[in-house]
Amino acid sequence: GAGVSQTPSNKVTEKGKYVELRCDPISGHTALYWYRQSLGQGPEFLIYFQGTGAADDSGLPNDRFFAVRPEGSVSTLKIQRTERGDSAVYLCASSSPLGSGGVDTQYFGPGTRLTVL
Amino acid sequence: DQQVKQNSPSLSVQEGRISILNCDYTNSMFDYFLWYKKYPAEGPTFLISISSIKDKNEDGRFTVFLNKSAKHLSLHIVPSQPGDSAVYFCAASAIQGAGSYQLTFGKGTKLSVIP
Repeated sequence: GAGVSQTPSNKVTEKGKYVELRCDPISGHTALYWYRQSLGQGPEFLIYFQGTGAADDSGLPNDRFFAVRPEGSVSTLKIQRTERGDSAVYLCASSSPLGSGGVDTQYFGPGTRLTVL
Repeated sequence: DQQVKQNSPSLSVQEGRISILNCDYTNSMFDYFLWYKKYPAEGPTFLISISSIKDKNEDGRFTVFLNKSAKHLSLHIVPSQPGDSAVYFCAASAIQGAGSYQLTFGKGTKLSVIP
């Protein structure tokens, strides 16, 4: 079946602009995660959704970052007043808590490369 | 403070030989460990995982070993193939509040398998 998809694959914007990044998880996966990967680093957790609600947003760096998942499927990560330091690859992952052994294996999308000029 | 460390940024191995990638962690609450493989311009692809109640898990050419007392895990690939050339990430999780299994990643090890 289809994996996690993310759009756009690349986004170039100017400092101070607003951007939206979209994630379409694997069908039936109730858990959805956003991560951010900077150059030379591993992915870092941003936010977790279980269904429609943001159950854990402890990884969001500041209040310029916000994410929604209104119908429990597609999620949008929103960044206001972008800064050059926001440049990174933004990854989305989904999982099903009913996976093997009840343990959560996360499946990642291809990511959106955000460049803030 | 890095909770998951991959101390080797790169590793080169001859085709057909064994590749051993290492990972250390500091958080004793971690109870589930995963390895992901990443090709350029793609997202991480799940490879293999291990629960803290086990010390070994095998899947084809890939075996993960966990030494809880040393807080160390390793991924063995045998035999190594040129298509295995990629960046390998070690990740760990522990259940958080509200059921989150957020992953903590190492910085990755770039494996090059030489034909």
